[in-house]
Amino acid sequence: DIVMTQSPDSLAVSLGERATINCKSSQSVLYSSNNKNYLAWYQQKPGQPPKLLIYWASTRESGVPDRFSGSGSGTDFTLTISSLQAEDVAVYYCQQYYGIPLTFGQGTRVQIK
Amino acid sequence: QVQLVQSGAEVKKPGASVKVSCKASGYTFTGYYIHWVRQAPGQGLEWMGWLNPNSGGTNYAQKFQGRVTMTRDTSISTAYMELSRLRSDDTAVYYCAKEAYSSGLVYFDYWGQGILVTVSA
Repeated sequence: DIVMTQSPDSLAVSLGERATINCKSSQSVLYSSNNKNYLAWYQQKPGQPPKLLIYWASTRESGVPDRFSGSGSGTDFTLTISSLQAEDVAVYYCQQYYGIPLTFGQGTRVQIK
Repeated sequence: QVQLVQSGAEVKKPGASVKVSCKASGYTFTGYYIHWVRQAPGQGLEWMGWLNPNSGGTNYAQKFQGRVTMTRDTSISTAYMELSRLRSDDTAVYYCAKEAYSSGLVYFDYWGQGILVTVSA
């Protein structure tokens, strides 16, 4: 199984400041034949299902604010919230879809400082 | 618009089975796999497997092999997930999720609202 490890487990950021979440996979999720990273990011607020933010490591889902961006390749990935808003308080998960079983990181809780 | 509407909360005793449903609308049900993901209270997300609504084919996570069965009724665009021999650590919110493109190895663009299954004596 591909193990996804996020860091930190939680972080507190001031409104308007940058939040950075890291995700590391135990093996590369870059598929060489199409040069795509099989990595997605989700946001989950309390009592709600996860919401897709980013796929292919850096492609923003339609309707997601451009303050959310994804980067990285191979085994190391980052989700950045460029200017934290109050509505961004949530838990964020990365997910690999390179192999079965599909696996998620343990989650990173983002709060307001 | 795409919607996945799941059945209501369940309370079961250890050793029993639970069958939950996920009714899809707003897209071609047979065109995209349905995946099931669970989340124990205060915990992360755990993928359980997928169902191909077109063929009825399935792929289960090894952890759930022998205990999980995923089926569908295409006439009502509904997917089902049955988990047997329930244990207390099966207490979780169970989500169905639609894959973004037909593959099986994919991310999820729509999720059901989730069903809380509580296993308690």
